[in-house]
Amino acid sequence: EPEVTQTPSHQVTQMGQEVILRCVPISNHLYFYWYRQILGQKVEFLVSFYNNEISEKSEIFDDQFSVERPDGSNFTLKIRSTKLEDSAMYFCASSGGGGQTGELFFGEGSRLTVL
Amino acid sequence: QKEVEQNSGPLSVPEGAIASLNCTYSDRGSQSFFWYRQYSGKSPELIMFIYSNGDKEDGRFTAQLNKASQYVSLLIRDSQPSDSATYLCAVNRYGNKLVFGAGTILRVKS
Repeated sequence: EPEVTQTPSHQVTQMGQEVILRCVPISNHLYFYWYRQILGQKVEFLVSFYNNEISEKSEIFDDQFSVERPDGSNFTLKIRSTKLEDSAMYFCASSGGGGQTGELFFGEGSRLTVL
Repeated sequence: QKEVEQNSGPLSVPEGAIASLNCTYSDRGSQSFFWYRQYSGKSPELIMFIYSNGDKEDGRFTAQLNKASQYVSLLIRDSQPSDSATYLCAVNRYGNKLVFGAGTILRVKS
């Protein structure tokens, strides 16, 4: 069964460092997303990406965040100058027809710990 | 007012019973509604989605939607210990953004 894969599964970084989280969405999907979940809190939308550009972003997704689809398979989330409050589980998701008509398939997540 | 509200639980039911999970949402323009299951430390896994008022059944799961009351529910029949998880309600108005509730913890006791 096709699945969304994410790497790394866990990353520990020092405050102020840059991190890149990687995702390989399901191959025939068109819409890509990043969500995050701080421990014990709800899943929060960060950004959606379609046709090589951001289609929507949340207030959380400020200038320290960026996304990229550098090739035909990978989808990355870059966090510049990490802060302690960026510690969370980051989930990549993809869908075939958008959130309106298609269900999101989530990867297993990348746990980011900022020290 | 929270966009998507769920009772945090835990909701405890005996094995074989019906578990009823509820969700309310604030945006009347919401179009589609999703139930995800999340095991501790794992990613959300889609159980069901519903777009139209009424009931939608899939195996042991039934989703119910009442747009007038801005209410979505999930019924789990013949609950099993493996159903013990956090159930997340998610709502979509348009575009690609899903708004999640904080989830309800379900515990099925054998």
